[in-house]
Amino acid sequence: SQQGEEDPQALSIQEGENATMNCSYKTSINNLQWYRQNSGRGLVHLILIRSNEREKHSGRLRVTLDTSKKSSSLLITASRAADTASYFCATDAGEDDKIIFGKGTRLHILP
Amino acid sequence: EPEVTQTPSHQVTQMGQEVILRCVPISNHLYFYWYRQILGQKVEFLVSFYNNEISEKSEIFDDQFSVERPDGSNFTLKIRSTKLEDSAMYFCASGLAGGRGTDTQYFGPGTRLTVL
Repeated sequence: SQQGEEDPQALSIQEGENATMNCSYKTSINNLQWYRQNSGRGLVHLILIRSNEREKHSGRLRVTLDTSKKSSSLLITASRAADTASYFCATDAGEDDKIIFGKGTRLHILP
Repeated sequence: EPEVTQTPSHQVTQMGQEVILRCVPISNHLYFYWYRQILGQKVEFLVSFYNNEISEKSEIFDDQFSVERPDGSNFTLKIRSTKLEDSAMYFCASGLAGGRGTDTQYFGPGTRLTVL
């Protein structure tokens, strides 16, 4: 089944460094979204990138999409302690409007 | 900034009991969704709802589940006879557009359902 899978599963970096998380999926998509989830909390939408887009920015976030490789990356620059969370990619592929989530990357920013 | 709200934040129930989880989507949104996340697992799609009817549902969404938009603001998920395996965080989401090329789905904070 079409699915986003993030890697790495977990990532620990020093505050101030850049964090890069990757997502791969299996079938053609309409768009791909990245979400953040703080421990035990709700999902916060970060960025949506459409299949005809290659890169989008939002503040310290940069998302790329390579449809030929069926992959996306989320870059967080100048990381902060508050960026500690799980990050999920979610893909929308079909005629319907459900989105399929990956397992997520747990990001931990070290002080 | 408008947001999706959900009540209650935590619901504890006995196995076999009915529960209703409530959501207030963003007011001008037209597409509504329920997802769930079992502890430590992926967020899973349950059902989408548009124009007062279900537009899609997953295999998880069996006859024990139902959704309703009883008025212009609320969107509810009912589980008729809860099972232990229904214990999860349930997320409501809403969006302005749906179908092919879905727009952003905005999620609520979730309701943690614990079935004893």
